[in-house]
Amino acid sequence: AQRVTQPEKLLSVFKGAPVELKCNYSYSGSPELFWYVQYSRQRLQLLLRHISRESIKGFTADLNKGETSFHLKKPFAQEEDSAMYYCALRWDGDDKIIFGKGTRLHILP
Amino acid sequence: DAGVTQSPTHLIKTRGQQVTLRCSPKSGHDTVSWYQQALGQGPQFIFQYYEEEERQRGNFPDRFSGHQFPNYSSELNVNALLLGDSALYLCASSSLGELFFGEGSRLTVL
Repeated sequence: AQRVTQPEKLLSVFKGAPVELKCNYSYSGSPELFWYVQYSRQRLQLLLRHISRESIKGFTADLNKGETSFHLKKPFAQEEDSAMYYCALRWDGDDKIIFGKGTRLHILP
Repeated sequence: DAGVTQSPTHLIKTRGQQVTLRCSPKSGHDTVSWYQQALGQGPQFIFQYYEEEERQRGNFPDRFSGHQFPNYSSELNVNALLLGDSALYLCASSSLGELFFGEGSRLTVL
């Protein structure tokens, strides 16, 4: 079954330190991968998707098909990055998007 | 544009009752998806509606049903409520593969 795994429930990082949120998926085809973010008291929203290859708010994510991973990275954490982050996947030929369980990122001052 | 709007925001039901949740998609969006998010979990896909038809369905029992209206708004119905149905129910409309979420309806089943 297609699955998205985020191994860390909570990640605490000092301000200014690098951030890496891990995401692995199990799917043999060509998935489309996303990162969604939920800031405190806000709704869930798209942060970035692998096909756009953009850097959003300093975050990047590279799809590694060999390792079936889509880790989210940022070189220097900021306090406003504290949020809940969800990795999500849509497999080719399908419309539904499935989500991982999420990682809470806590930026320490 | 108010974005995706959901109602009610909170509700409490007892076991065995039925509930209807409502969703209005973002302007211009014709596809609506429903997700269940239990505490501490990621959103779980329930089903998706497009052109008033259920296009896809996740691993949820038939007690969960839905509807989409000609104006693209949607309803989620849950019959014979169980304690385990307590969760945040999220509606999302989509355009070009991106999901736009509402703030959710928090259902508590006692």
